[in-house]
Amino acid sequence: GNSVTQMEGPVTLSEEAFLTINCTYTATGYPSLFWYVQYPGEGLQLLLKATKADDKGSNKGFEATYRKETTSFHLEKGSVQVSDSAVYFCALSVNRDDKIIFGKGTRLHILP
Amino acid sequence: DTGVSQDPRHKITKRGQNVTFRCDPISEHNRLYWYRQTLGQGPEFLTYFQNEAQLEKSRLLSDRFSAERPKGSFSTLEIQRTEQGDSAMYLCASSLLELFFGEGSRLTVL
Repeated sequence: GNSVTQMEGPVTLSEEAFLTINCTYTATGYPSLFWYVQYPGEGLQLLLKATKADDKGSNKGFEATYRKETTSFHLEKGSVQVSDSAVYFCALSVNRDDKIIFGKGTRLHILP
Repeated sequence: DTGVSQDPRHKITKRGQNVTFRCDPISEHNRLYWYRQTLGQGPEFLTYFQNEAQLEKSRLLSDRFSAERPKGSFSTLEIQRTEQGDSAMYLCASSLLELFFGEGSRLTVL
């Protein structure tokens, strides 16, 4: 079946540190891949996406590259800020406009 | 505000009672999704609609759960004879090309 596995949290970093949150997937067909973010007290928001192999999604300094050979979509940011503290969800959909399947989420704490 | 809105935001009920949640999607979005999220977990897909047609239902959606979208606009999710295990955040999302989520309806079953 289709599924997403992401690293467990919480992840605690100091401000300006480099961030990587690992995500791997299993899918039939050719999925689109997503990172969603949930800030405290807010709803889920799309952070970035990639729809085909080797695509790089980017937004707000975050990047993730769709790696078909390793079935991965790791989230990275070069220098995190306190305001990046949130829960991050890796997700996929197999067909365009189909339902999105989420990982369990990774809580990120950034210390000033 | 033209985002996805959900009502009520919080609901506390006693086991065995029925509850209903409402979702108003972004007006031009033809697809509407319901998800459930429990503490420490990612959202789990429950069901989705294209216009008024319910296209898919998860096996998580027992016969106590029913969802409707009668005119292809707002949707309701009803849970009958609630159980403590139904306690969760119920999320609604709508899409045209990209999924937009509401802030959720939190259900607590005592």
